[in-house]
Amino acid sequence: AQSVTQLGSHVSVSEGALVLLRCNYSSSVPPYLFWYVQYPNQGLQLLLKYTTGATLVKGINGFEAEFKKSETSFHLTKPSAHMSDAAEYFCAVSEGLAGNTPLVFGKGTRLSVIA
Amino acid sequence: DGGITQSPKYLFRKEGQNVTLSCEQNLNHDAMYWYRQDPGQGLRLIYYSQIVNDFQKGDIAEGYSVSREKKESFPLTVTSAQKNPTAFYLCASSLQGALAYEQYFGPGTRLTVT
Repeated sequence: AQSVTQLGSHVSVSEGALVLLRCNYSSSVPPYLFWYVQYPNQGLQLLLKYTTGATLVKGINGFEAEFKKSETSFHLTKPSAHMSDAAEYFCAVSEGLAGNTPLVFGKGTRLSVIA
Repeated sequence: DGGITQSPKYLFRKEGQNVTLSCEQNLNHDAMYWYRQDPGQGLRLIYYSQIVNDFQKGDIAEGYSVSREKKESFPLTVTSAQKNPTAFYLCASSLQGALAYEQYFGPGTRLTVT
């Protein structure tokens, strides 16, 4: 069964600093990987996804993530944090196409941005 | 505008009462899902449905029930058997088949039971 581990339940960075949110997954088949963002009392919004092909994927709001099969990782990065990036971020994995296999989510990482 | 609507945004109930949370989508998606979110727990799958009139239990189905009579609608009933019903509930949907990747989420319903 697949699983997701997000290292660090809370990450704090200064405005303009690099953002790095860590995600490791476990999957018995080539995974599909996702990062979602959630602002307080709202639903989740897709930031980016990896399905096949290029292992470095770019998403919205300047975020990107790299799929590293050898490390079973899919870390999320952004070169320069902005105050508006403060939110909770969830990594998720699917072993098949969505609708065929539900996503499994990590427990989330809350990102704080300090002015 | 296509999307997922959940109503109401906030819901208050007394302990021992059943309550039904609404989820409607106009994305023409085949699959729909219900998740429960608690602080520090991430999202946990309650039920999902891949087609009308069919649904499967997720990881934490006890104390919940669902129906899928229409493609657009997937209501969730929180029964009195659910021991800790206070939580944030999220509904999602996705396509089936070759284009079925991400799930799309509604805005959520915050349920408080006292």
